[in-house]
Amino acid sequence: KAGVTQTPRYLIKTRGQQVTLSCSPISGHRSVSWYQQTPGQGLQFLFEYFSETQRNKGNFPGRFSGRQFSNSRSEMNVSTLELGDSALYLCASSLIAGEDNEQFFGPGTRLTVL
Amino acid sequence: AQSVTQLDSQVPVFEEAPVELRCNYSSSVSVYLFWYVQYPNQGLQLLLKYLSGSTLVKGINGFEAEFNKSQTSFHLRKPSVHISDTAEYFCAVNTGANNLFFGTGTRLTVIP
Repeated sequence: KAGVTQTPRYLIKTRGQQVTLSCSPISGHRSVSWYQQTPGQGLQFLFEYFSETQRNKGNFPGRFSGRQFSNSRSEMNVSTLELGDSALYLCASSLIAGEDNEQFFGPGTRLTVL
Repeated sequence: AQSVTQLDSQVPVFEEAPVELRCNYSSSVSVYLFWYVQYPNQGLQLLLKYLSGSTLVKGINGFEAEFNKSQTSFHLRKPSVHISDTAEYFCAVNTGANNLFFGTGTRLTVIP
């Protein structure tokens, strides 16, 4: 079974631009979560989608948004990019939603904002 | 509120020596605890998880962890490390709805 895939793997943008990152979960998985990883803040939860609905959201500004499609694929969008948005963005999928459910992570998209 | 503290940011250890990576948590509700490993330029891979039952949890690659409720700890151990274990290790607690709260990570460096 193929793992979680994220595209693109690397991305370079300039301040003020917007960016869309894509995540394809493992086949059959319905929950997709997004995380931001930076050297300063570590791994932080962005949001989680289950059956096309955002169930939970972390403490990030409204510039960060996401959505999930009927096939469970998910996208996240960051508008008006800032230098501090440079990070590794990780997507994780799980079979169902729940506290004890294992999340499988993709390789991440490394975003650099210049 | 939940939080996770990884007490050591870096742990150097010689090859074939034992290692313990420390993790303490705080939570006002039932916890589900996880250890993940991240190799350079890769995503996170689950090593092991504690959901309920036996407090000693065995994971992949020879790792194990012990859940200690009285000390609110979930330390990761391996009796003999290999060069290939060099990586960053994250302890995490699930706060619900697939919202993982991570510690700051411990970089394990295995010295030949």
